[in-house]
This record gives sequence, C-alpha cells and structure tokens, in this order.
Amino acid sequence: RKEVEQDPGPFNVPEGATVAFNCTYSNSASQSFFWYRQDCRKEPKLLMSVYSSGNEDGRFTAQLNRASQYISLLIRDSKLSDSATYLCVVNGRGGSYIPTFGRGTSLIVHP
Amino acid sequence: DAGITQSPRHKVTETGTPVTLRCHQTENHRYMYWYRQDPGHGLRLIHYSYGVKDTDKGEVSDGYSVSRSKTEDFLLTLESATSSQTSVYFCAISESTSTDTQYFGPGTRLTVL
Repeated sequence: RKEVEQDPGPFNVPEGATVAFNCTYSNSASQSFFWYRQDCRKEPKLLMSVYSSGNEDGRFTAQLNRASQYISLLIRDSKLSDSATYLCVVNGRGGSYIPTFGRGTSLIVHP
Repeated sequence: DAGITQSPRHKVTETGTPVTLRCHQTENHRYMYWYRQDPGHGLRLIHYSYGVKDTDKGEVSDGYSVSRSKTEDFLLTLESATSSQTSVYFCAISESTSTDTQYFGPGTRLTVL
C-alpha cells in the first residue's frame, strides 16, 4: 500500500457544483496534513492545512479522519478558476518530518 | 510569495555530463528540500536539509548528491546525468518545525538527451 493515495481523476464538474476529494494515508503516526494546489506547469502552493477539528476557508473545507486514516477536501460552488491538481501531503514518519505527497487529483470545472 | 528562486529554470544537457541545480531562499528557513516531479509519480523527495551541512536522503536519492554550505543555498548535483533524470525539479523550504508548511520554488525543467 502506498503511503499516501489519491484518486487521480480527472473530476469533471460544471460551475457551481460541489466536489469532494479524499486522500488516504498509511502511517498512523502522521502528525501534519495539508492540501496543496498545483496549476499546470507551476509549483505547488498551499491551499490549506488540515486540523483534527476540521477547518474551513471560504468555499473550501478540509477534514481529517484519524480512525480511518484519510483527509478530505470539499469545494463548494466550483469556479472555472478552481481547475487544477490538488495534492495531499502527509508528514511521513514519526519523529522526523519527511513529507510525502500524493500523486494528486485533477479537477476540471467547465462552464 | 516566499522568496525562493531556482536556477537555471531550464536546462538541456547530454547523458554523462554533470549538472548542478541551485535553490536560493531569502526567508532564513531551516529546512530545504529537493523534489522531482514526473507524470504518474507525483512529487518525490530526493534529498532534504535540516540545517547547514546537515542533509539526509529521500526516497529517490540514487544518482543525486546535495550540499548546503549556507542557510540560503541548497545545491543538487547530478554527477553523471542519465535520461531517467529528465524531470521537473522543485526546491521547497519550511521554517523550523515538523508542522510547518512548505513553500516551493518555481521549478527547473531538466532534459537529458
């Protein structure tokens, strides 16, 4: 089992739709979790951190489920500009910060 | 945006030649990382540094070496480039603890012929 797994997609959704991505991780000792956004041929940029209590930033909501070892990202009211690849990141090994990236989920929002 | 630059931004080289990529930061962050990104593999960690002269291997370190003689610079060297090292290379930094987020440089597109 890979350390961090994501459905590569692509997820094709119309503008205004709600879409959700999941990311599963294998290391139960992982301590920090993030979602990054990467546009085509650009560097990844932090979208949001994921906290145990969940967190929301505008149309974006991230949640962590430690029991089932997954994190999720919910995007409401999708915009054309949300089209990108979304990467989940988990710090891979307890005691040492070695971040592990998922392969990313591609989102395409169409008119 | 975090102050991270990478040089060169694009490079074409031939198999067997040495190549050095440079990452420079102006944020005084402790951790620096080198990743490669390839279709179907996502971002994979090559090496990372947790301080001046302190480095460690990532998951795909074979064929690569690194050096960090100053806080602001992290160099990645391919001693003898191979076609399998054709990739996009990203440098990243994070401040000081295991919960810190990473900030990425703009990337270097390397082609080995």
